[in-house]
Amino acid sequence: GESVGLHLPTLSVQEGDNSIINCAYSNSASDYFIWYKQESGKGPQFIIDIRSNMDKRQGQRVTVLLNKTVKHLSLQIAATQPGDSAVYFCAENIEVQGGSEKLVFGKGTKLTVNP
Amino acid sequence: DTEVTQTPKHLVMGMTNKKSLKCEQHMGHRAMYWYKQKAKKPPELMFVYSYEKLSINESVPSRFSPECPNSSLLNLHLHALQPEDSALYLCASSAGTGWYEQYFGPGTRLTVT
Repeated sequence: GESVGLHLPTLSVQEGDNSIINCAYSNSASDYFIWYKQESGKGPQFIIDIRSNMDKRQGQRVTVLLNKTVKHLSLQIAATQPGDSAVYFCAENIEVQGGSEKLVFGKGTKLTVNP
Repeated sequence: DTEVTQTPKHLVMGMTNKKSLKCEQHMGHRAMYWYKQKAKKPPELMFVYSYEKLSINESVPSRFSPECPNSSLLNLHLHALQPEDSALYLCASSAGTGWYEQYFGPGTRLTVT
């Protein structure tokens, strides 16, 4: 079925540490994945994406890793800052009946950065 | 301009009211979306418009009626809602469906009394 989940619902780190947020997905046919950050009272904000033909992609202070063998996605945030405190969602692009495509979001991980 | 705007920011309505949520983007995107998000939950897709045509309806009750007047605007008409419909309603847009990032608006916080 359609399922994108997260191993840890909450994560607390010290400022300056690296953070790793994990996500498991169930649809082996999924070909595109996105990480979003959602701060309180705001809409989700795009962080980074990765296509299924890649294993790793880096952005500014963030890295996404994709392991298709075990259907696992992770987001690494380097030198975590208080402004990184938010809920992080992974999202999986899947094809639905009729050829349309949609994003299915995981449950989310709340990241708290302690000063 | 990478902004998706939504109005109103907050809406309180009774179960017999009719109201509309509005969404606008000026990025030239051809796909627009409505999501519903309950507290502490992920966004759940409701509708997808591609090139101003409805391409996905996630079995949403008919008391929610989407409309895409043109490529920049997306409306969600609300009628006879239930208290359990109270949620954050998010609009998003993307250049196309598939391998395109979706840009989200700030949402409309809806309370049904």
